[in-house]
Amino acid sequence: GAGVSQSPRYKVAKRGQDVALRCDPISGHVSLFWYQQALGQGPEFLTYFQNEAQLDKSGLPSDRFFAERPEGSVSTLKIQRTQQEDSAVYLCASSSDRRSYEQYFGPGTRLTVT
Amino acid sequence: AQTVTQSQPEMSVQEAETVTLSCTYDTSENNYYLFWYKQPPSRQMILVIRQEAYKQQNATENRFSVNFQKAAKSFSLKISDSQLGDTAMYFCAFMKHAGNNRKLIWGLGTSLAVNP
Repeated sequence: GAGVSQSPRYKVAKRGQDVALRCDPISGHVSLFWYQQALGQGPEFLTYFQNEAQLDKSGLPSDRFFAERPEGSVSTLKIQRTQQEDSAVYLCASSSDRRSYEQYFGPGTRLTVT
Repeated sequence: AQTVTQSQPEMSVQEAETVTLSCTYDTSENNYYLFWYKQPPSRQMILVIRQEAYKQQNATENRFSVNFQKAAKSFSLKISDSQLGDTAMYFCAFMKHAGNNRKLIWGLGTSLAVNP
């Protein structure tokens, strides 16, 4: 089926605005991951879901970051009161139960905070 | 905590030649996975090759192969017969084998340019 999709692909926000980033994983994939990739850096883990349960949110940089996956499929990463340091590409990945070591990535959402 | 180090920020190679990208890592785990991912300018991250730490045999995928040295905690990627489409950022990544959370720990990446 279709791969992982993310929307919007690009988002410009003024400092202080709230943003919501969406991830549609591959159908049937149990696990969903969010990563943050700053310019010129490698991705960094933010949070992980298994179905609707958020099992690890240790990578979220502050309480302004919030993620949910209420029905175990689509996930939303919300950033409140955006700051310039939040500017990055936000990558979503999903994996199946059988091949949990293999993550499939979406194209990312490039967030620019001005 | 696990760390992944890629010491070559940029590399270049002539088309059809061979290039090796380096990666070292640190972990106290005995079982784990190592990966090389490719991120072309379009930014979609693509899995290139995977190595399971308990396997002694080095993984190969067509023109891509790894040199996995577990004792030295080294995991280099060799690209043979380089093609223009290999131009991309290459990331080395680590994943624990045990437990439910299969989060990836990433290096900073190596930017590879294949020149015609």
